[in-house]
Amino acid sequence: EAGVVQSPRYKIIEKKLPVAFWCNPISGHNTLYWYRQNLGQGPELLIRYENEEAVDDSQLPKDRFSAERLKGVDSTLKIQPAELGDSAVYLCASSSGQSYNEQFFGPGTRLTVL
Amino acid sequence: AQSVTQLDSHVSVSEGTPVLLRCNYSSSYSPSLFWYVQHPNKGLQLLLKYTSAATLVKGINGFEAEFKKSETSFHLTKPSAHMSDAAEYFCVVSEYSSGGGADGLTFGKGTHLIIQP
Repeated sequence: EAGVVQSPRYKIIEKKLPVAFWCNPISGHNTLYWYRQNLGQGPELLIRYENEEAVDDSQLPKDRFSAERLKGVDSTLKIQPAELGDSAVYLCASSSGQSYNEQFFGPGTRLTVL
Repeated sequence: AQSVTQLDSHVSVSEGTPVLLRCNYSSSYSPSLFWYVQHPNKGLQLLLKYTSAATLVKGINGFEAEFKKSETSFHLTKPSAHMSDAAEYFCVVSEYSSGGGADGLTFGKGTHLIIQP
């Protein structure tokens, strides 16, 4: 079974430019999560999708961050414009909604903003 | 609201000796609790999970954890450390929102496990 796929794995951009990350969850998983992991910290939830609906985006900085999951399968997280403080690893996870919320994580995208 | 406190940012043990990584949680409801491991430059991997069944939970690679409601603890243990266990370990709590569906996971800050040869 294929796991959660994320791309790109690494991204280096200059500040003030836009950047986007893509995630394809495990087939059949209706719930999709985006997390941000700062250096030396645990991941923090940015947004949660149930199918195509964003049901929890309270931690998403909406002035510069946006996300979409148009067909309820893959998802894109965008930052525009990027700031130095956005440097982090962006993790995508998916869950079937069963098994007590066991989430499966992708390898992450490591973003460096210069 | 839920929260997790990992009591040690770093733990160093000798190979072949026991491992203890401490975790306390706070939750308004009956939580699900997890331990995840993250090796350098690799993704998060689930070690084990507590889901209100047995309080002693066995996971992969010889790890286990005991849920103690009276102490609000979920400490991770392993009888004998191996060099390959060196990694970052995260204690995680999850609740279900009142509107249904599972909330995002709340992670502790992590414990860096160092294995001395």
